[in-house]
Amino acid sequence: GENVEQHPSTLSVQEGDSAVIKCTYSDSASNYFPWYKQELGKRPQLIIDIRSNVGEKKDQRIAVTLNKTAKHFSLHITETQPEDSAVYFCAASTGFSGGYNKLIFGAGTRLAVHP
Amino acid sequence: DAGVIQSPRHEVTEMGQEVTLRCKPISGHNSLFWYRQTMMRGLELLIYFNNNVPIDDSGMPEDRFSAKMPNASFSTLKIQPSEPRDSAVYFCASSWGTVYGYTFGSGTRLTVV
Repeated sequence: GENVEQHPSTLSVQEGDSAVIKCTYSDSASNYFPWYKQELGKRPQLIIDIRSNVGEKKDQRIAVTLNKTAKHFSLHITETQPEDSAVYFCAASTGFSGGYNKLIFGAGTRLAVHP
Repeated sequence: DAGVIQSPRHEVTEMGQEVTLRCKPISGHNSLFWYRQTMMRGLELLIYFNNNVPIDDSGMPEDRFSAKMPNASFSTLKIQPSEPRDSAVYFCASSWGTVYGYTFGSGTRLTVV
């Protein structure tokens, strides 16, 4: 089955710096890669996703890149702000013919942005 | 839409008691997922349903865990009997097809003493 590795487990940056979180996946059939942000005591919330037919996607200060050959994808946050502090999860899935995704999550990265 | 609704938000129970967690998915979503989150094991997929049918329950840790989805708008996760090691946050999530990601509920924080 699919396995997702996520690094680093913790990341500390100064406000205004960039943050990069990397994930690798094992199943070459995986075709959907979302990223979730979870603030303390809250639910995971989808912040950006990318599909296997796209190499990069950007939404304001966040971007995701995908390298299908190497089976890894990354989250980039630019101009970080204290409110970006949270745990970030990557995930990978394969769409099934029945019309559903089965998401397998990485272990998470705890990002701390210091003023 | 009110999103995915879970109840209760918090549950404290004594070891050996039965616990039932409830989930109402977003109307129109055809898939429902139960996850367990702990510091040690992260987000673990327990079981998921597609069109109310259980597809894969290989993540259910033991026979003490069971889940049902009697209709498209309701699902339960039951633990009987509960044990202290079951203490975790249990999330329900729903999705539609393969186009969109999951929407998570607010979770149920279970404490078994």
